[in-house]
Amino acid sequence: AQKVTQAQTEISVVEKEDVTLDCVYETRDTTYYLFWYKQPPSGELVFLIRRNSFDEQNEISGRYSWNFQKSTSSFNFTITASQVVDSAVYFCAFWGYQKVTFGTGTKLQVIP
Amino acid sequence: DADVTQTPRNRITKTGKRIMLECSQTKGHDRMYWYRQDPGLGLRLIYYSFDVKDINKGEISDGYSVSRQAQAKFSLSLESAIPNQTALYFCATSGLAGSSGTGELFFGEGSRLTVL
Repeated sequence: AQKVTQAQTEISVVEKEDVTLDCVYETRDTTYYLFWYKQPPSGELVFLIRRNSFDEQNEISGRYSWNFQKSTSSFNFTITASQVVDSAVYFCAFWGYQKVTFGTGTKLQVIP
Repeated sequence: DADVTQTPRNRITKTGKRIMLECSQTKGHDRMYWYRQDPGLGLRLIYYSFDVKDINKGEISDGYSVSRQAQAKFSLSLESAIPNQTALYFCATSGLAGSSGTGELFFGEGSRLTVL
């Protein structure tokens, strides 16, 4: 069975600090996808990134970057120079066979 | 207009009542899902459907049923609501992505259900 672990329940940082959100997954599948979603206080779920299991290149999008390492089964998410608008719950998710499994989420609070 | 629409957005009901949450989408996706979100538990899959004739149980299907009335419509029913079904419910759709056959999930805005 597939499993996604986000060990950090809540993180608080001061604005402009960098912060990394951890995601570890378990699977026996060789082909899979990994995702990150953001849930701001307004409640909607916003897709951030998809990465497939064959592509271990890191990705950067503005202040956001993602580090995918198959050797450690991790797909970590870093926000550089955090801003108050980054305050949200962030979910890591895994697609292995037919369905998507979510982690329990990390609540990020960015303090002005 | 939203691509994935859920109704109602908020509902308060009493124990034992039957409740239906509806979801419709304009994305043309075949795959639709119902998730439940509880604080500290993330999103848990209730049911999913890959086409009109395909319905599958997720990890927490007990106490719920679904109906896929058309490609664009997927309804979730609570036949006899109980207080521990108080939660935020999300409908989602997905299309295909590459040869692996998956893409990201597109979510509705959520339906907040309170069972008293």
